[in-house]
This record gives sequence, structure tokens and C-alpha cells, in this order.
Amino acid sequence: SQKIEQNSEALNIQEGKTATLTCNYTNYSPAYLQWYRQDPGRGPVFLLLIRENEKEKRKERLKVTFDTTLKQSLFHITASQPADSATYLCALGGNNRLAFGKGNQVVVIP
Amino acid sequence: DTGVSQDPRHKITKRGQNVTFRCDPISEHNRLYWYRQTLGQGPEFLTYFQNEAQLEKSRLLSDRFSAERPKGSFSTLEIQRTEQGDSAMYLCASSLGTARDTDTQYFGPGTRLTVL
Repeated sequence: SQKIEQNSEALNIQEGKTATLTCNYTNYSPAYLQWYRQDPGRGPVFLLLIRENEKEKRKERLKVTFDTTLKQSLFHITASQPADSATYLCALGGNNRLAFGKGNQVVVIP
Repeated sequence: DTGVSQDPRHKITKRGQNVTFRCDPISEHNRLYWYRQTLGQGPEFLTYFQNEAQLEKSRLLSDRFSAERPKGSFSTLEIQRTEQGDSAMYLCASSLGTARDTDTQYFGPGTRLTVL
């Protein structure tokens, strides 16, 4: 069966450190992968998109890697700030839809 | 604000009643999507439109659910004879629909439905 796995435990991290989140998937062949941020009671906000033929993408303090052999994406927030506290969703794209993981909560401690 | 908007933001209804939600996409976007999200889960795809044509529906979308996009602009999602299991956040997203493989979807704030 198809699965998209993100860590169910919240990641508590000290301000200024790098937060790293993992997204693993099985039985998917995504054309691209996206990361979204979601705050409580709000819709997801698009952060980054990485295509299947790309290894790494950066945007400001964010970095995403995509390994189609391992079927894994890593999402990094460098120099984390309390304002980065949120749930981060991994989404696999293709066939005109997104398939989302459950999300991983990040708590940045001042 | 030129983002995706949804109305209402919250809806409380009694079991058995019908409800309708509205989504206004980003104006130049051709594609519109509906997702459903329950607590602790990621959004689940329900259906999508290319302009006014509904091109795909998930098996999650039972016969009680119907969606329209009559003029290729705003969309409505109606749930008939609501059940408690329909309680969820209903999210709308839109995209340009021009890039076959890398079509970024932008989400609205969602409509929170509570069925009593």
C-alpha cells in the first residue's frame, strides 16, 4: 500500500539550531515533492518544491533534499526562530493531485 | 488580499442537514482543488477542476458530496444529509494549471465543519 511517513513526535529545538525533518514514502513515484507549513486552524502555506531530477533546493533559511532511490526527502530549517514553530507537511505531487503526510510539529524554544 | 478565500470559516450544523461551502481561487488560476483534513492528519484529496470541468473525484467523495465550478471561477462544495464523520476542515486550493508536472497549489484558510 502507499505510505507517506513523517515523524509523529514533535521536534523540540533550541533557537538558533538547525531543525531537520524527514519524509519517507513507499509505493509512490512522485514527479515532484513539496513542503508546506501549517499553523493551527489555518490552511497550508507553500514553502518549497523540488522536482524528481533535483537533489537539493534552497530558499532563505530553508533547504530540501530529495533522494528518489531512498524514497526520502529531508527538510532543514537553519538558524531556527520561535516564529518557525508550526507543523510542516510533506506532499508528493503527480497525477494532478497532492498526497500529504500527516505532518511533523516543530517547536522552537527561545 | 489576492489569495484563495473560503466562506464560511466555521460552520456548525446538526446531523442530517445540508451545508454548502464556497471557494474563490486566485483570479488567474485555472485549476481548483478540494481537500479534507481531520485532526492530526494531512489533507486528503477530494476532487479537482480544470476551469469548469470536474476532472477527477476521489473515492472519499461519497454520493452525498457534490462540487461545482459553474463559470470556471468560484467553486461550491455541498454536503447533503451530513453525518458526524463529515466533521473536518475543508480546504480549497488553486493553481495555474500550466505546468504539467510541477503545479504548485495555494491553499485557502479552510472551512471548519462541525456536525453535532
